[in-house]
Amino acid sequence: AQSVTQLDSQVPVFEEAPVELRCNYSSSVSVYLFWYVQYPNQGLQLLLKYLSGSTLVKGINGFEAEFNKSQTSFHLRKPSVHISDTAEYFCAVSSSNDYKLSFGAGTTVTVRA
Amino acid sequence: EAEVAQSPRYKITEKSQAVAFWCDPISGHATLYWYRQILGQGPELLVQFQDESVVDDSQLPKDRFSAERLKGVDSTLKIQPAELGDSAMYLCASSLYSYTDTQYFGPGTRLTVL
Repeated sequence: AQSVTQLDSQVPVFEEAPVELRCNYSSSVSVYLFWYVQYPNQGLQLLLKYLSGSTLVKGINGFEAEFNKSQTSFHLRKPSVHISDTAEYFCAVSSSNDYKLSFGAGTTVTVRA
Repeated sequence: EAEVAQSPRYKITEKSQAVAFWCDPISGHATLYWYRQILGQGPELLVQFQDESVVDDSQLPKDRFSAERLKGVDSTLKIQPAELGDSAMYLCASSLYSYTDTQYFGPGTRLTVL
């Protein structure tokens, strides 16, 4: 079975600064990788996903992530954050032999003016 | 834009009582998921339906939890009896068909068991 580790539980960042959220996964087979965002008291919304092809994936709201197979990572980045990016971010993985989405514990991003 | 609907949004109950949550997926979505999200953790899959059939309920505590999707559209998740450890957010999601399709999540039901 696959698993996900989000290396930072909390990331404080100033408005207009860049942010990187780190995600590592473990799986012995081909993986599919996802980043979701959860705003307070809301459900999860897909930011982006990697299924195959280009390792650099662009998503909504200016976010992008890079799939690195050798390092088993799928880090999320945004070059300039806004106050409205304050939320919890979840990395998730599924695979060709375990289709269930396995979520990380989440990273709380707090953007300050 | 179509959304996944859930009700109620909040539920407070006493232990040993029965509770039920309802989910209406996006129209045309064959796959429906129920997740449990404990505070400070990521969602954990409880049960997955493909149309009206359960395809995975390996993490569902079957002694107290049940789920159904009788006509392959909306779904109900029930807990009887509720225990203190069941306090969590219960999320419903739906997707078109396969596991690589995007899962769309509802706003969730926050359950507090006293």
